[in-house]
Amino acid sequence: EIVLTQSPGTLSLSPGERATLSCRAGPRISSSYLAWYQQKPGQPPRLLIYGTSNRATGIPDRFSGSESGTDFTLTISRLEPEDSAVYYCQQCGSSPFTFGPGTKVEIK
Amino acid sequence: EVQLLESGGGLVQPGGSLRLSCAASGFVFSSYVMTWVRQAPGKGLEWVAAISESGDSTYFADSVKGRLTISRDNSKNTLSLQMNSLRIEDTAVYFCAKGRGSGWYVPIDYWGQGTLVTVSS
Repeated sequence: EIVLTQSPGTLSLSPGERATLSCRAGPRISSSYLAWYQQKPGQPPRLLIYGTSNRATGIPDRFSGSESGTDFTLTISRLEPEDSAVYYCQQCGSSPFTFGPGTKVEIK
Repeated sequence: EVQLLESGGGLVQPGGSLRLSCAASGFVFSSYVMTWVRQAPGKGLEWVAAISESGDSTYFADSVKGRLTISRDNSKNTLSLQMNSLRIEDTAVYFCAKGRGSGWYVPIDYWGQGTLVTVSS
């Protein structure tokens, strides 16, 4: 089973700041199979990024994804109040198609 | 517009059974892998099970293997999850979800609103 580890657990930033969220896979996975989701309280998750760096339909360009070695990164370039949510990474390359534990982003 | 509407959740005693359903519309149901994902109260997302487009192949999380069965009826655009030998730790909101694109190895692009299953005596 592929285990995804996300850091930090919680990120508290001000509007306009840059948020950097990390997801590490063990064992290593192909960049084709890493996705990011945003979930707000009481709502289902929403697909943000697939294939490491491809934005899903309707996702603002302040959201971007990248890879460096075994680490995957979700960057929110200029935080807005509505970005307050929990962000999950998921690998879809090998069953079970596991999720990371999530990073909570709080807007000050 | 893609819609996924779950039903069948409720309160069940440990050891009991429950059947969840998901009514799909707005896309060609038979062309996509479908998935169940759950979320325990206040916890993260847990991938549970997935079924191939035709229904002849399935995958399960180890935590539910042998107790939960996923199935689909492509003639009725319906996904199901039969849950047997339920445990307290199965308490969660269960989401029905659609794969983005064809094949197994795709992310989820649409989610239902979820149905709550509570296992308690």
